[in-house]
Order: sequence, then structure tokens, then C-alpha cells
Amino acid sequence: IQLTQSPSSLSASVGDRVTITCRASQGISSYLAWYQQKPGKAPKLLIYAASTLHSGVPSRFSGSGSGTDFTLTISSLQPEDFATYYCQQISSPSVTFGGGTTVEIK
Amino acid sequence: QVHLVQSGAEVQKPGASVKVSCKASGYPFTDYYIHWVRQAPEQGLEWVGWINPKSGDTSYAQKFQGRVTMTRDTSITTAYMELSGLKSDDTAMYYCARDIMHTQLWYFFEYWGQGTLVTVSS
Repeated sequence: IQLTQSPSSLSASVGDRVTITCRASQGISSYLAWYQQKPGKAPKLLIYAASTLHSGVPSRFSGSGSGTDFTLTISSLQPEDFATYYCQQISSPSVTFGGGTTVEIK
Repeated sequence: QVHLVQSGAEVQKPGASVKVSCKASGYPFTDYYIHWVRQAPEQGLEWVGWINPKSGDTSYAQKFQGRVTMTRDTSITTAYMELSGLKSDDTAMYYCARDIMHTQLWYFFEYWGQGTLVTVSS
């Protein structure tokens, strides 16, 4: 199963609402997660099961979708949110990641 | 708290093998699956496989079958990933990551090691 993220990069300002999409090549129910990765660091889990906010993750992050189309939304972009975001599907026994979306400062 | 601490950077020649360790602490080691994920320089993430620390059962991504072996030593709460027949495109940061769910396989990676850079170069 392939995951296609869009856009591959975006420029935004602090306070902006940002939406990243992830499309699966076939239906994956809600077996999708979102990760944030900053340069030189390991990824950090943000959302799992498509819409469940992981413990400790700020509520400005939210996830939605099922089947083939999913979105990650940051309601009000903060300076610490500039990073690369990856979606991940878990259609057992295979795991694949999207190509990533880099959120840059405008 | 949960920590996954990986072994240091490695430089290996093409055709050689590399073994990376992942020392777990702060939780019952045998109660959570450990996954391995790699990331080539400036590239995305690629799942390598998992090990069940309790049973030693493993499952590998098809791409790595025949070249990767995952093991564990429960006495020292450490998981290992060995990759053989190294090629230049195996150059990557290799991460261990703990599954989110207690005693079940959910494939969501809650805690990550700091990464081990493996460089394959002649």
C-alpha cells in the first residue's frame, strides 16, 4: 500500500491553520498514524488510529479520515511546529510511510 | 520513564554485516514489541521489521527478508538488529521504536531510540 502526502512542502506563518493530506492507494480503515520529525531527531508520534491524539501532544493537532483519505490539521501553527510530518499506514503485515511534508516558516 | 538507547555509529564495507543494539529501560521489556525503522540521508522513513521480546518471534519487511535478523537478550533488556550483505544504499540512520500497545502488535511507534548511523563505504 502506497501513501501519497501533499503538499511535499509548505510555507506558513505562526498562527496559521495548516492542513496536510495523506492518500492511501487502497483502503486502510483507520490504521493510520502521523509523526513529527525535527532535524537530527527521531520521529515523534502525534496521532494514531487516524484521529486519536497521543498523550502529551497539544490539542492544536488533530487528525481525521478513514479508508483512503486522511488529514492532519494544526489549528494555530506555533514556532515549535516547524518540522517534517509523515503519515504511516499499518495494513498488516506491511508498514509504509508517506514521503513527508516539510512545514517551513514563511 | 521509558528510554531506548542505541549503540554508536558504525562504518562498514560493502558485503559486511552490522549489528545494532537497542537497550530498553523504564518499562517491562517483554511486554512491548520492538520495531526497527531506517531513514536514508535526506529521505523518508522505512520500516524494517519487529521482534516480540517475550517470544523472540520476528517479522521482517519483504525487502529485507534474508538479510536482516532481529534478536533480543531479555537478561539485559536489549534488542538487536543485524543486517548482512551491506550495500551503499543501506547507508541510513537506524531507529528502534517501541510499539504503543501492551502485549499486542499495533504498529504505532510510541517511543524511539536516538538512532544509529550506519555508513556503508569502501
